[in-house]
Amino acid sequence: AQSVAQPEDQVNVAEGNPLTVKCTYSVSGNPYLFWYVQYPNRGLQFLLKYITGDNLVKGSYGFEAEFNKSQTSFHLKKPSALVSDSALYFCAVRREGSARQLTFGSGTQLTVLP
Amino acid sequence: KAGVTQTPRYLIKTRGQQVTLSCSPISGHRSVSWYQQTPGQGLQFLFEYFSETQRNKGNFPGRFSGRQFSNSRSEMNVSTLELGDSALYLCASSTGTGIRTEAFFGQGTRLTVV
Repeated sequence: AQSVAQPEDQVNVAEGNPLTVKCTYSVSGNPYLFWYVQYPNRGLQFLLKYITGDNLVKGSYGFEAEFNKSQTSFHLKKPSALVSDSALYFCAVRREGSARQLTFGSGTQLTVLP
Repeated sequence: KAGVTQTPRYLIKTRGQQVTLSCSPISGHRSVSWYQQTPGQGLQFLFEYFSETQRNKGNFPGRFSGRQFSNSRSEMNVSTLELGDSALYLCASSTGTGIRTEAFFGQGTRLTVV
């Protein structure tokens, strides 16, 4: 079985400040980790993924994520938040050798305050 | 390149009716997956199709079914609608069946059952 936890339902940050959205996972075997963003009344947009290699992954719109195997975490980060980053963020996992469906976390609502 | 297209965007149905949702994947993508998004349950996997074959199915009752056509377009059908079927239904496409490939989502179909 595999699972993803996003411990914070809501994250507020001031524009221009760094942001972090937390994600921890539980899988047996190698994880494949993804971040998606959802704007109101829209589908999910792919931001970035970790497959293997460098623990720091860079993605779209200036976002990056750090894979930490010992802490089973994959936190999403951005050095300087924009008001337009305000959205719902989802972390997702697949397990090597498993079926292909994504297992999603419950989502974190990010609000960037002007 | 056009993204994943889902039709219709909004749908209102009466309890007991049936509904068909449509998904056109990104050109060249042969894998299509469906997810249900609700406030209470979050994002849950319904099924995945590749080359007109169902590859994997989530834990949903038999009232939920799908199919894929030779042009990779997919439909999902829900029969005998219940109030709890009200949700955003998301379709995602990817290039193949590799576990490392990201999925690209459509804007979803908002189904309301009254």
